[in-house]
Amino acid sequence: AQSVTQPDIHITVSEGASLELRCNYSYGATPYLFWYVQSPGQGLQLLLKYFSGDTLVQGIKGFEAEFKRSQSSFNLRKPSVHWSDAAEYFCAVARGATGTASKLTFGTGTRLQVTL
Amino acid sequence: DGGITQSPKYLFRKEGQNVTLSCEQNLNHDAMYWYRQDPGQGLRLIYYSQIVNDFQKGDIAEGYSVSREKKESFPLTVTSAQKNPTAFYLCASARGRGVDTQYFGPGTRLTVL
Repeated sequence: AQSVTQPDIHITVSEGASLELRCNYSYGATPYLFWYVQSPGQGLQLLLKYFSGDTLVQGIKGFEAEFKRSQSSFNLRKPSVHWSDAAEYFCAVARGATGTASKLTFGTGTRLQVTL
Repeated sequence: DGGITQSPKYLFRKEGQNVTLSCEQNLNHDAMYWYRQDPGQGLRLIYYSQIVNDFQKGDIAEGYSVSREKKESFPLTVTSAQKNPTAFYLCASARGRGVDTQYFGPGTRLTVL
């Protein structure tokens, strides 16, 4: 069965510091991977996605993620965090048979706190 | 503006009552989804629909029901059979079949008293 693990429940960084959020997946086929961000009480916003091609993908708000098949990882990074980045971050993997609507399996999320 | 709307944002119900959550999209997407979010558990799939008049159970469908009579609408009913209905409910949509990005609505927080 597919699964996504986000080992860090809560991370605190100082504004201006670099950030890396970890994501490990378990999926038998070619993974299609996503990072979403959620502000408190809000819906999810797509940050970036990996379907194929270049393993380093760029997203919105200055985020990037690197797909490493050998490590089954898709870690999210940002070189300099802003106070507005404080939110909860979810990694997800798409699953589903060809020709059907894909379904997402989510990790349990990492809550990011930014100190000034 | 294109997007997904969910109403209401907050909903309170007494135990034993059925309640229906609304989800509407004007993105012309074929696929729609309902997720439940609980603290520390991420999002779990309740039901999804690939096309009008068709829907499938997700991972936690017990105690829920849906309908898809129109392409733009996918209401979720939380029935009295759902043992622990208090949660944050999120609706999403995607263009259609195959792997595609899901876009999310703002969510409805349901509290059962």
